[in-house]
Amino acid sequence: EIVLTQSPGTLSLSPGDRATLSCRAGQTIGKNYLAWYQQKPGQAPRLLISGTSNRATDIPDRFSGSGSGTDFTLTISRLEPEDFAVYYCQQYDTSPLTFGQGTRLEIK
Amino acid sequence: QVQLVQSGAEVMKPGASVKLSCTASGYRFTTFLIHWVRQAPGQGLEWMGEIKPYGGATKFAEKYLGRMTMTRDTSTNTVYMELNSLRPEDTAMYYCARVHLFGYQDHWGQGTLVTVSS
Repeated sequence: EIVLTQSPGTLSLSPGDRATLSCRAGQTIGKNYLAWYQQKPGQAPRLLISGTSNRATDIPDRFSGSGSGTDFTLTISRLEPEDFAVYYCQQYDTSPLTFGQGTRLEIK
Repeated sequence: QVQLVQSGAEVMKPGASVKLSCTASGYRFTTFLIHWVRQAPGQGLEWMGEIKPYGGATKFAEKYLGRMTMTRDTSTNTVYMELNSLRPEDTAMYYCARVHLFGYQDHWGQGTLVTVSS
């Protein structure tokens, strides 16, 4: 299975800052089939990005995704208070689908 | 709008079985796969398996082979997931999620908390 490693484990930033979250795969992810999800406490995950860089419906344009092969990035250009949450990457190229362990974005 | 509504929380004894439901609305039920994903307390997300509502074909993560069953009822737009031989480490939130045609989960249920305790 494809192992996804997210870094950092925790990111402490302030509203207005730029956040850069990394997701590294143990092998190449084909077709850029990499998604990002946001999860807030007590809530189900919410799709942010699919296909490495395609924002889901109603996701603000301060969220962007990039990368290819084994290295992928989620960038939040200017943090809003509601963006502090846990973020997961997921590959859906190869079965079994796998998730990274998550990055917790906390208020500094 | 697309909605997935899951059954309520369960408290189970070790060794028992639990059957969870996930009822879909707002789209053509048979068109999209459903995934089951679980999350142990304070932990990350783990894909468990999938069911194709059209025809009922299933696929499982290796660790759940033989212990997990998924079925569907197209008359009620509901999928079911049954997990057998429950252990305390099966305590988790269980989510169903609709799968976009390209393979990612685009809509999620609210989750069902299963607690396994003697």
